[in-house]
Parts: sequence; C-alpha cells; structure tokens
Amino acid sequence: GESVGLHLPTLSVQEGDNSIINCAYSNSASDYFIWYKQESGKGPQFIIDIRSNMDKRQGQRVTVLLNKTVKHLSLQIAATQPGDSAVYFCAEPSVRGGADGLTFGKGTHLIIQP
Amino acid sequence: DTGVSQNPRHKITKRGQNVTFRCDPISEHNRLYWYRQTLGQGPEFLTYFQNEAQLEKSRLLSDRFSAERPKGSFSTLEIQRTEQGDSAMYLCASSLLGFEKLFFGSGTQLSVL
Repeated sequence: GESVGLHLPTLSVQEGDNSIINCAYSNSASDYFIWYKQESGKGPQFIIDIRSNMDKRQGQRVTVLLNKTVKHLSLQIAATQPGDSAVYFCAEPSVRGGADGLTFGKGTHLIIQP
Repeated sequence: DTGVSQNPRHKITKRGQNVTFRCDPISEHNRLYWYRQTLGQGPEFLTYFQNEAQLEKSRLLSDRFSAERPKGSFSTLEIQRTEQGDSAMYLCASSLLGFEKLFFGSGTQLSVL
C-alpha cells in the first residue's frame, strides 16, 4: 500500500482565507517530504520541501509543518488566491531509498470560493 | 521553453495497438523518470534513468512496457498490445539532484478504446 495519504479529498475555502492541507505518512524512516501542486491538464509542480530535521519551513505564502511524533505533514497557504486552485500532493522518497523516485499520496483538491 | 516537454499531449488508440510517447527533459538533467497517473490518484513510479542507463523499474511496468533513453537525452516509453487498463496520464520528470525536486512535464493522456 501507499505510505502517504490524505485527510480530505476536497477542501473549499474563501478567497483571501488561509488554507491548510494535511497529509499522513506511515514510513517513520522518511527523512524528506515534498509538496506538489497540480493544476488541471498539467504535471505536478514543486512547491516546497522539508527535511526531517526541521519542524517548519516557510516559502512565499506557503508554510510546511512536520510533526514526526504523529507522522503528519501539513501545507499552509496564506491569503488563498484563485490561482491556488489545484490538487495538492504530499510525497516522500519511495521505501527503497529514494532511488526510484517518490511515493505520492492521493491528493487534496483545493477549491477557491469567490 | 526549457522545461520538460512531452509528446503527444493526447493519444487515443484501440485496444491491441502499440503506442509510443516521447519525453525531452531539461537539458542539463541527468535523471529522467516515468510516472503513471490515473484519475483522482497521485502519480505512480514506473521507471527511471540515470543518463542512458535504466536503473529501476516498478512492478507496475509489465513486459508490454519498454522505455529507452538513447544517448542520455530524450526518452521514449512504448506500450505494446495496449489494454483498456493502460488508460492514464503518463508523466515524465527530470532532475539534477535525484528524486528531490523533480520537474514534471504536462504528460501524455492515453485513452485505450
């Protein structure tokens, strides 16, 4: 089975509000996590990453939080804009050491209400 | 444009036919990955190349699937004797640092009728 998953398949937020997208992972040995954004008809686009020696990392309008105790990852998007509408995936290196790429969760579809 | 390029964007074929997709990675990237994505799911790893060497293959990659990367530049993914279950988006990604920070193309959407 997959080692990363989602908490909500769809998240609807008002434009301008903050969004929080959650992800649970099961491989406690994972030392690196990535969030991708996928817009309709496009491939996934890298947003932000975090290593397991960190609890928090901030980018432009995005923050990733890592709670290793409960194996939980979240992506916070500040002041959500219409262009943030997409499916968001968390990902981690595949169990076999990452050489064969990433294991993706099922994703959360973020819908922005005007 | 210096991103990952995939062709064709869409392919409709009849069951039993062979199809081939092409991926042109970012020019300085030595790693190239193929993923498959079905509706509502995250991408699933199929195979990857470091330069021209194919180093890993997923168990998802049946013997009807073959991938090549001659000269370590573009890559092709061929599916022989297509089945309806092969219908999916086939994504190509490249990287310079390994599995970290993969850059994806827009994919080839395959529909097998």
